[in-house]
Amino acid sequence: QKEVEQDPGPLSVPEGAIVSLNCTYSNSAFQYFMWYRQYSRKGPELLMYTYSSGNKEDGRFTAQVDKSSKYISLFIRDSQPSDSATYLCAMITNDYKLSFGAGTTVTVRA
Amino acid sequence: NAGVTQTPKFRVLKTGQSMTLLCAQDMNHEYMYWYRQDPGMGLRLIHYSVGEGTTAKGEVPDGYNVSRLKKQNFLLGLESAAPSQTSVYFCASSRRTVGRVNTEAFFGQGTRLTVV
Repeated sequence: QKEVEQDPGPLSVPEGAIVSLNCTYSNSAFQYFMWYRQYSRKGPELLMYTYSSGNKEDGRFTAQVDKSSKYISLFIRDSQPSDSATYLCAMITNDYKLSFGAGTTVTVRA
Repeated sequence: NAGVTQTPKFRVLKTGQSMTLLCAQDMNHEYMYWYRQDPGMGLRLIHYSVGEGTTAKGEVPDGYNVSRLKKQNFLLGLESAAPSQTSVYFCASSRRTVGRVNTEAFFGQGTRLTVV
C-alpha cells in the first residue's frame, strides 16, 4: 500500500466550476503538505503548501489539511481552462523524504 | 540560470544494458531526489540524498543505484535494464532552510527511457 493515495481521475469540469481534489496518507511522520501542478511533458511545480490542520487560501486556491483523519484537499474556485493540468499532492517528513500521490488530471472545458 | 538539468532527455535501451542518468543543479541545493513517473502511479521516489556523500532509499529502489559525489550532481544508475524500468524519470532538488522543512522542490525536464 502506498503511503500517499490519490484518485488519478480524470476529472472534467465546465469553466467556472469548483474543482475538488483530495488525498489520504498513512505515514504519521509527514509534517508538511503540498500541492504541485504539472503541465504535459513538464516537471511539477509547487502550487501551495500547508503545515498545520486547517485551511489556507491563495487567490482561487484553498488547501485543507486534517491531520487527525490523515486527509488533505485542494479546491479551485472559478476554474479556468488554464487550470487544466495534473495536480499532485505531496508530503514531506522532517528528514526530507518527499513523497507524491498518483496525481489527478483535470480538464476545464471552455 | 539553468536550475535542474537532466541528461539525456531521451534514451532507448536493450534489456540487460546499463546506463547512468545525470542530474545537475546550479542552485547549491542540499537535497536531491530521483523519481519515476508512470501512468496512474504518479511520482514514485526511487532514491534521495540529503547531502554530498549521502543517499537513502525511497519507495521503489530495486534495480537502481545512486551516487552523490559532488553536491551539484546526483547520478542514477541502471545496472541491467529491464522493460519494467520503461518510464519517465524526474530529478528534483531543494535547499535547506532554517526553522522549518523546505517544501519547494525544483524539477528537471524529465528523461524518457524505453527499455526494449
